[in-house]
Amino acid sequence: KAGVTQTPRYLIKTRGQQVTLSCSPISGHRSVSWYQQTPGQGLQFLFEYFSETQRNKGNFPGRFSGRQFSNSRSEMNVSTLELGDSALYLCASSFTGDSDTQYFGPGTRLTVL
Amino acid sequence: EDQVTQSPEALRLQEGESSSLNCSYTVSGLRGLFWYRQDPGKGPEFLFTLYSAGEEKEKERLKATLTKKESFLHITAPKPEDSATYLCAVQDGGATNKLIFGTGTLLAVQP
Repeated sequence: KAGVTQTPRYLIKTRGQQVTLSCSPISGHRSVSWYQQTPGQGLQFLFEYFSETQRNKGNFPGRFSGRQFSNSRSEMNVSTLELGDSALYLCASSFTGDSDTQYFGPGTRLTVL
Repeated sequence: EDQVTQSPEALRLQEGESSSLNCSYTVSGLRGLFWYRQDPGKGPEFLFTLYSAGEEKEKERLKATLTKKESFLHITAPKPEDSATYLCAVQDGGATNKLIFGTGTLLAVQP
């Protein structure tokens, strides 16, 4: 069974630009969560989608947004990039999200110059 | 506020030298505690899920235990390939399904 896949794996952007990251969950999983990982803050929850609806949101500014499609694939978008947005962005999927184990993808490494 | 604290921050062991990693948590209503292993530049790899105090799970050289306030990851006779960052996360009992992560323990096992 294929795991969680994320594209692209690496991105370099400049301040002020916007970026879209993609995540394909494990087949059959309907919940997709996004996390930001930085050396200083560790892993922090961005948001969770289930059945195309955002179910939960972390404490991030509105520049961070996402969506989920009918096939459970998800995208996250960051607008007006700032230097501090440089991080590893991780996507995790689970069957329903309710106490289910979340399985992580390899991440997208975003560098903002 | 929900919080997860892992200790030690870093641990260096000789091959075969057993030890334990600690994860203490404060959460309104624990729905699950998760252990992950993360290698540099990769996403976290799932190890264990624990749901209630007293529960234990084992996998090869690893054993995870859970009490009402903390969890331990015991590593028996570690090998160099066990070197990684070990992350602990909790899922609270509120409406959210987010994982709250600790900052991890960086384990180095020397041959």
